[in-house]
Amino acid sequence: GAVVSQHPSRVICKSGTSVKIECRSLDFQATTMFWYRQFPKKSLMLMATSNEGSKATYEQGVEKDKFLINHASLTLSTLTVTSAHPEDSSFYICSARGTRPFAYFGPGTRLTVL
Amino acid sequence: QKEVEQDPGPLSVPEGAIVSLNCTYSNSAFQYFMWYRQYSRKGPELLMYTYSSGNKEDGRFTAQVDKSSKYISLFIRDSQPSDSATYLCAAYSGGGADGLTFGKGTHLIIQP
Repeated sequence: GAVVSQHPSRVICKSGTSVKIECRSLDFQATTMFWYRQFPKKSLMLMATSNEGSKATYEQGVEKDKFLINHASLTLSTLTVTSAHPEDSSFYICSARGTRPFAYFGPGTRLTVL
Repeated sequence: QKEVEQDPGPLSVPEGAIVSLNCTYSNSAFQYFMWYRQYSRKGPELLMYTYSSGNKEDGRFTAQVDKSSKYISLFIRDSQPSDSATYLCAAYSGGGADGLTFGKGTHLIIQP
């Protein structure tokens, strides 16, 4: 199957700092990328959908000024958690979709905010 | 009502048993149906996808969709401990930038 990478896989940061997570589709062009958040033993929660070259569409309740999403190219999307707080600690997963109807997921990024 | 319903389990079966995982959905616009497998602390992995109604087989896995009853199934034959994971069903209408609609996932445990 297609490969989607995420970097970093794990990050620990201090409260108040910003963290950037990268999501790359390695062998296909991702016209749409999705960002999810997942708490332990809980289901995926869609945060936002982004199409290359346009602004991301955020789900209700997700603060767009706190979770900045940039889909700069057909192979790269970034999620920046600004002024991170301990409650932002979670597992963040991106997925990417090209011309085929299904999406491929990245391996996830575990964020811990101290 | 959530658009895709899935029993979270856990579902525990002995090794070698046939496993049946199921979802129901309410949106008639859904045309594409997928099953993902997620191991703990990993991203979901696409297992199978089907278009419209019908069956699709891949090794020990069979995906089945019945659009008349809005029912999605995944069967695992000769289940193995390595199949223990959370299985998520997903549906998609095919409408451009729409995302996939996921079920909550069923936690499957295969007992050795």
